[in-house]
Amino acid sequence: GAGVSQSPSNKVTEKGKDVELRCDPISGHTALYWYRQSLGQGLEFLIYFQGNSAPDKSGLPSDRFSAERTGGSVSTLTIQRTQQEDSAVYLCASGAGGPNEQYFGPGTRLTVT
Amino acid sequence: GQQLNQSPQSMFIQEGEDVSMNCTSSSIFNTWLWYKQDPGEGPVLLIALYKAGELTSNGRLTAQFGITRKDSFLNISASIPSDVGIYFCAGQGGSEKLVFGKGTKLTVNP
Repeated sequence: GAGVSQSPSNKVTEKGKDVELRCDPISGHTALYWYRQSLGQGLEFLIYFQGNSAPDKSGLPSDRFSAERTGGSVSTLTIQRTQQEDSAVYLCASGAGGPNEQYFGPGTRLTVT
Repeated sequence: GQQLNQSPQSMFIQEGEDVSMNCTSSSIFNTWLWYKQDPGEGPVLLIALYKAGELTSNGRLTAQFGITRKDSFLNISASIPSDVGIYFCAGQGGSEKLVFGKGTKLTVNP
């Protein structure tokens, strides 16, 4: 079946603009995670959605970052007033909620000029 | 917050050689995971470890969950060119969040 998909695959934006990154999880997966991967670094947790529970936003680096998950499926990560340090690959993963059940999408490479 | 120290940062080996990489943490984890990431793709789970002392194999890959619950290693035997990529360890503590190491970049020379 289809895996996790993310769009766009690449996004170049000017400093100060807002961007929206989309994640389509695997159908039926109740858990959805967003991570950020800076060049040469590991993955940094951003936010976690599980079913209808309140999301765990503890990894969001600033109030410029927000995420929504509509209808328990598609999720959008929004970055307002982008800064150059926001440049990174943003990865989405979905799963059934256990630690081994995180299936990653290919990521969105964001470049802020 | 929790951090993982992963080493080495990079490895250059000849095809057929064995490889070993490890991760250590200052805090205890309940689960250790090893992922591989190819360029332009998301990480793919290789091995999951759930119990201190557990030794698990997946083909040429072997990983162990350290007895102190603060470390894990991954071995790759008889490396082949398609083993090239970045290997990440990840640990899970008391929540659903995973903490990732910074990765080991593996290059295999044919």
